[in-house]
Amino acid sequence: QLQESGPGLVKPSETLSLTCSVSGDSISNSNYYWGWIRQPPGKGLEWIGSINYSGTTYYKPSLKSRVATSVDTSKNFFSMRLNSVTAADSAVYYCVRQFYGSGGDAFDIWGRGTMVIVSS
Amino acid sequence: DIQMTQSPSSLSASVGDRVTITCRASQSVSRYLNWYQQQPGRVPKLLIYAASTLQSGVPSRFSGNGSGTDFNITISSLQPEDFATYYCQQSYTTPTFGQGTKVEIK
Repeated sequence: QLQESGPGLVKPSETLSLTCSVSGDSISNSNYYWGWIRQPPGKGLEWIGSINYSGTTYYKPSLKSRVATSVDTSKNFFSMRLNSVTAADSAVYYCVRQFYGSGGDAFDIWGRGTMVIVSS
Repeated sequence: DIQMTQSPSSLSASVGDRVTITCRASQSVSRYLNWYQQQPGRVPKLLIYAASTLQSGVPSRFSGNGSGTDFNITISSLQPEDFATYYCQQSYTTPTFGQGTKVEIK
């Protein structure tokens, strides 16, 4: 299971920080990446970025300059930071498990999601 | 980014209907294509990966096929719990999703 945590309200221009705790699985499992996906209210899904147990990351190109992810294998959680937020960053943020197979990768386990509003 | 375009954006159907949703990629993604279902107010759920492989626990009324740029997901006999929004997602390069197709009750 995955569980997001973080502030529900962030001021414009500040940094959004979220954490995802992983239970029932080891974040050190080399078969997986661990990622973040967001969904603005009433809109579609947008992948933000992913990280594996060794800290290898990749990000959506348009967000790459503002996002950073990290992993803590000792405490079995991973985190995301998105800086210089605007109202356009308001969304439900999901943490996800991303498995890799011969047919590519997919997001097979999702957290419940946490709503983040950017407003002063 | 590879752009994913789904059609239709929404459709109305009845229980028992056969429903097909199409997803087109802006360039070839081979068979690196996944489908998700999001029921109202719920978390997205992986249905199909690698274009046609059913995720564990997903009913066999769901099927997917395609390769290259054109893909589809078919629900052979629509059930009440299938009224939801469906998203395709390519994993050939940095992941991108289609805009979604909402399946509504007629």
